[in-house]
Amino acid sequence: AQSVTQLGSHVSVSEGALVLLRCNYSSSVPPYLFWYVQYPNQGLQLLLKYTSAATLVKGINGFEAEFKKSETSFHLTKPSAHMSDAAEYFCAVRRDYGGSQGNLIFGKGTKLSVKP
Amino acid sequence: DAMVIQNPRYQVTQFGKPVTLSCSQTLNHNVMYWYQQKSSQAPKLLFHYYDKDFNNEADTPDNFQSRRPNTSFCFLDIRSPGLGDAAMYLCATSPRLGTDTQYFGPGTRLTVL
Repeated sequence: AQSVTQLGSHVSVSEGALVLLRCNYSSSVPPYLFWYVQYPNQGLQLLLKYTSAATLVKGINGFEAEFKKSETSFHLTKPSAHMSDAAEYFCAVRRDYGGSQGNLIFGKGTKLSVKP
Repeated sequence: DAMVIQNPRYQVTQFGKPVTLSCSQTLNHNVMYWYQQKSSQAPKLLFHYYDKDFNNEADTPDNFQSRRPNTSFCFLDIRSPGLGDAAMYLCATSPRLGTDTQYFGPGTRLTVL
């Protein structure tokens, strides 16, 4: 079965500091991986996705993520945090088995706080 | 702009009183999904429609039903809401099954009194 694990339910950084949100996946097949962001009382918005092309993926709002097969990781980073980055971030893997093939399996989320 | 719209954004219902949540899309996507997201938890897929084909997740309670009268609209019916059904309900669409990106609506927050 496939799954994602997000380490740290809450991360706090200062404005201008590096943002690092961790995601590890489990998959018996080459995974398709995603990061979504959710602002308070909003739906989810796609930040970036890995679909077996370049291992370093650049997304919107200055975020990027690197796929590391040896570490089964897909951590999300941003060099300099902005106050507007405060939100909840979800890592997801595309399901590749069973009747719901193609659907997304989400991690539990990491809430990012940015201090002035 | 093409988008996914959910109405209402906030819904209050009483224990046991049927409620319907609405989702519409202007993206002309074939697949529509309904997720339940409880506080501080990951979105949990309830079911999806591929065109008119309905696919229920194995652990979705019978209390939850869905209708898709046409490509643009999809409804979530909760027949007898319990206190445990209070959550954010998210609708999403994608062009086809297995497509990389799902496009989410803003969600409907359901309160059960």
